[in-house]
Amino acid sequence: ETGVTQTPRHLVMGMTNKKSLKCEQHLGHNAMYWYKQSAKKPLELMFVYSLEERVENNSVPSRFSPECPNSSHLFLHLHTLQPEDSALYLCASSQGTYMNTEAFFGQGTRLTVV
Amino acid sequence: DAKTTQPNSMESNEEEPVHLPCNHSTISGTDYIHWYRQLPSQGPEYVIHGLTSNVNNRMASLAIAEDRKSSTLILHRATLRDAAVYYCILRDVEETSGSRLTFGEGTQLTVNP
Repeated sequence: ETGVTQTPRHLVMGMTNKKSLKCEQHLGHNAMYWYKQSAKKPLELMFVYSLEERVENNSVPSRFSPECPNSSHLFLHLHTLQPEDSALYLCASSQGTYMNTEAFFGQGTRLTVV
Repeated sequence: DAKTTQPNSMESNEEEPVHLPCNHSTISGTDYIHWYRQLPSQGPEYVIHGLTSNVNNRMASLAIAEDRKSSTLILHRATLRDAAVYYCILRDVEETSGSRLTFGEGTQLTVNP
């Protein structure tokens, strides 16, 4: 148990559906991240939030829409996804975004787009 | 961004030490060296980090070369539960967004019973 909880753990959605991934951290951290891990590829950073403000959007398509209502919660809203968006989506949190802080990851949501 | 180079895979026997190498010849003076590992079907897990001096914690030791162009993660007694992908990462800083973790391919460690 890392203190970062992601729900759901598994999700199957059609290309016309709208769904949301949820991440919650109980560590008092003020920075949160979304990563994507496709099969046989390294983790790709998608979004960074610091103090509830988005500080990085890594050229992610607009069909992925993040939301950070407070420092403990992070959402990733999904709509009109493509099959190639099927991947493991990982949330992480850290205390600040500085060089010497460690990040804590959730167990991820395994997303399948059909 | 400064890059790291790791072997794709390594094998070890249970209860023996494991030395996982990482090259980072373009490291800058303010880059911290972080190690994470990812067990099957789980998110990455922090292992250890350091700047210049060798570091020890309950999970592992980190040996950093004097010129900081390479480092080695040392697992003192490998167990079957240590089988994972190990990532060596330089924590880089960008003014606009602070520091972020950039993952490479990592080293797949297999531990034989």
